[in-house]
Amino acid sequence: AQKITQTQPGMFVQEKEAVTLDCTYDTSDQSYGLFWYKQPSSGEMIFLIYQGSYDEQNATEGRYSLNFQKARKSANLVISASQLGDSAMYFCAIALTGTASKLTFGTGTRLQVTL
Amino acid sequence: GAVVSQHPSWVICKSGTSVKIECRSLDFQATTMFWYRQFPKQSLMLMATSNEGSKATYEQGVEKDKFLINHASLTLSTLTVTSAHPEDSSFYICSATRLGEQFFGPGTRLTVL
Repeated sequence: AQKITQTQPGMFVQEKEAVTLDCTYDTSDQSYGLFWYKQPSSGEMIFLIYQGSYDEQNATEGRYSLNFQKARKSANLVISASQLGDSAMYFCAIALTGTASKLTFGTGTRLQVTL
Repeated sequence: GAVVSQHPSWVICKSGTSVKIECRSLDFQATTMFWYRQFPKQSLMLMATSNEGSKATYEQGVEKDKFLINHASLTLSTLTVTSAHPEDSSFYICSATRLGEQFFGPGTRLTVL
């Protein structure tokens, strides 16, 4: 079974600063994908970024980048130039390749962006 | 982009009644849909995998007779919470896959009195 660990229940960051949200994972499979989702108070799940286990380059999507360290089994999300609208819950998730995207989520980190 | 809708967005019901939640992929066909449950301040937990034209696959600990899933077409999956009780109050989210990518519905908040 897969497991995602997010050790930061809550984080604060000042507007325009960068913030790193931690995520470690555990799986015995070699082929998998790592995902980050944002969940604002409205409840919708917003896809942010994806990293495949065989991708050698760290994924980037606009202000989001994923710091992928395969040997350490970590997939930290870096948000640059934080904005007030970034305040939300952030979930890290893993899916094994070939499982039709069946996701296992971590417990989430609540990010609060302050002025 | 791909859009997934859920109906209703919220529902309040009395204990013992059954509630049906619909999940639709509006602009694509989805052979696989997933149903998740999220209790307050907790993570999303996968309940079941819904495959069009076949029986759903339930995760360990999820009662298949209580949470009935029907995936009758490539654009619609339904979750029926039978004989709902207050402990079933939760946020239910569905997702649909297209070309390996997962798209989430906006969720349904169920409150059982």
